[in-house]
Amino acid sequence: DVKVTQSSRYLVKRTGEKVFLECVQDMDHENMFWYRQDPGLGLRLIYFSYDVKMKEKGDIPEGYSVSREKKERFSLILESASTNQTSMYLCASSSPGQDTGELFFGEGSRLTVL
Amino acid sequence: QKEVEQNSGPLSVPEGAIASLNCTYSDRGSQSFFWYRQYSGKSPELIMFIYSNGDKEDGRFTAQLNKASQYVSLLIRDSQPSDSATYLCAFLTGNQFYFGTGTSLTVIP
Repeated sequence: DVKVTQSSRYLVKRTGEKVFLECVQDMDHENMFWYRQDPGLGLRLIYFSYDVKMKEKGDIPEGYSVSREKKERFSLILESASTNQTSMYLCASSSPGQDTGELFFGEGSRLTVL
Repeated sequence: QKEVEQNSGPLSVPEGAIASLNCTYSDRGSQSFFWYRQYSGKSPELIMFIYSNGDKEDGRFTAQLNKASQYVSLLIRDSQPSDSATYLCAFLTGNQFYFGTGTSLTVIP
């Protein structure tokens, strides 16, 4: 069974703290993505990666950074958390060579910044 | 800017009725189109994908694609209360996915 696993389902952090969100996929997918989802705004792309050690900015990269040291792992980092980063964070992966090319999502990490 | 627009809803249908969800997209170069279902508090899961013009059926679900009109729809026949969820339309261009904001569907028993 294919799987994308996010390390934390729920996190509560304080303003200014550094936050790490980890994502691991077991499908040998080349592409990995980080989205945030907010009511009324839908899914917005933060960063994505097509290969190890490479990254591309999405639509809303400000305040975030990412790391992809291994193919299966893609981490999202909030250097100094702010209240406007309270959101649901979704990691996803895909493979261009796959039949449907679909995105597989993790279960999500709900972050609250106080 | 690539855009996806969905009928925002919320949409309510009685149990057993047909639910119709619609989506338009801006990029004529889009290759594949997806419908994801998202239950409250859960992550999106794929229910249909389509890449050729016409209809594609899978059980109670039918996806319809019209590339000339840049339009994709999802029909849910014999709607069930378990179909109550938010439905996200998405298209794929290159390696990037573009999502609509979703349509909330409630099926009333």
